[in-house]
This record gives sequence, structure tokens and C-alpha cells, in this order.
Amino acid sequence: EAEVAQSPRYKITEKSQAVAFWCDPISGHATLYWYRQILGQGPELLVQFQDESVVDDSQLPKDRFSAERLKGVDSTLKIQPAELGDSAMYLCASSLRGNYGYTFGSGTRLTVV
Amino acid sequence: AQSVTQPDIHITVSEGASLELRCNYSYGATPYLFWYVQSPGQGLQLLLKYFSGDTLVQGIKGFEAEFKRSQSSFNLRKPSVHWSDAAEYFCAVALNTGGFKTIFGAGTRLFVKA
Repeated sequence: EAEVAQSPRYKITEKSQAVAFWCDPISGHATLYWYRQILGQGPELLVQFQDESVVDDSQLPKDRFSAERLKGVDSTLKIQPAELGDSAMYLCASSLRGNYGYTFGSGTRLTVV
Repeated sequence: AQSVTQPDIHITVSEGASLELRCNYSYGATPYLFWYVQSPGQGLQLLLKYFSGDTLVQGIKGFEAEFKRSQSSFNLRKPSVHWSDAAEYFCAVALNTGGFKTIFGAGTRLFVKA
């Protein structure tokens, strides 16, 4: 069964450092999402791509977060500088156009110390 | 504003007992509806989805959900729970606002006792 690949699985970083996460969606999935999930809460959308274009980044803290999907395939989410409150699970998901349900990756657990 | 409410933060059921997890949404039209399951430290897995048609939908792992328009609800059910069903369950709605935007509920943690 096709999977969404994410790396790394775990990341510990110091406050004010830069950190990056990578996601490779299922082949053929035009839509890619980055979600942040704080412990005990549901996922919250950070950014949504359709192919290589951002279609929704209204909840992305743009002063420190950036995301790109240059060739419309894999994607990178960056945080610079990291803050203590950024500690969370960062989930990548992909779907066919029109949203028929997402396939999620296993996530990256970020701890900022 | 659109919202998804899962009233139960956690539920405990005995193995073999039936299960119902509640989900209510607030939206002017009928959204697309989903249930996902998340095991500890893992991503979310799609259990089932409702777009239109028959209001009772079947999913994987023996789960089903019923859409009730009059109650704005989409409750998840399973007739007999197994210990491996212990996990976090998320209800989600996808809103067509030009493009699809999915909103997740806060989740319900299911505990299964022997």
C-alpha cells in the first residue's frame, strides 16, 4: 500500500535554532497538506498545496515558518527560529484533487528545548 | 464559524461491548464527513467517509457511521470492540469554500478494558 513518507521521525532542537521537515506524498496526489498537532488536540492545518502552488497558508506563522513544494512533488516545512511553543507533531498528508480523504504520514515529533 | 465538536474527551468500554463515538458539526450546508483513527505516535488513518447518498457508511476494521442531517451529527459505531481498537479517534469535516478545507475535532481517546 502506498504511503506518505516523512522524515525525520523525531527531532530535538534548541530554541532559536532552525529545523526542517521533509514529506514525500503518494505518487499522483496533487494536494499536499502540512498539519500541526499539539498533544491532546486535533490536527490544525498550517499550509495546503495544490501541485506547486500554495492554496491556503492562512494559519501558517509566516514570520518563522516557511513551506515549499518546488516541483509539485515532495515538500519541505521549515521553522526558523524555533520556539518552545513549536513542540508538537508535524503531520504531512496528501490526497487526490477534490479531497476524498487524506493519507497521512507517520509524522515528525518536534521537541524544542 | 465552522466547527467540529467531539463531546467526549475519553471513553472506556469493555472488550466485546458496543461503541459509539459522537461527532457534531456546525456548517451551513452538508460537508464531506470523515472519521480517522490515530495510534500513539503515529499518523492518522482514514476509517470511513461520507459524501452523499446512503446515510449509513461502512468503513474499515468493522466501523460504521451514520449521518443525521437533522442533528448535524456523524457518529461512529462498532458493534463489538477489540482491545486493538484502543486509540484516538478524530471526526473531520471538509468544507468546499472554493477549495476544500478540512477541520478536525479535538478527538476522543478510546480505552478498552479486558
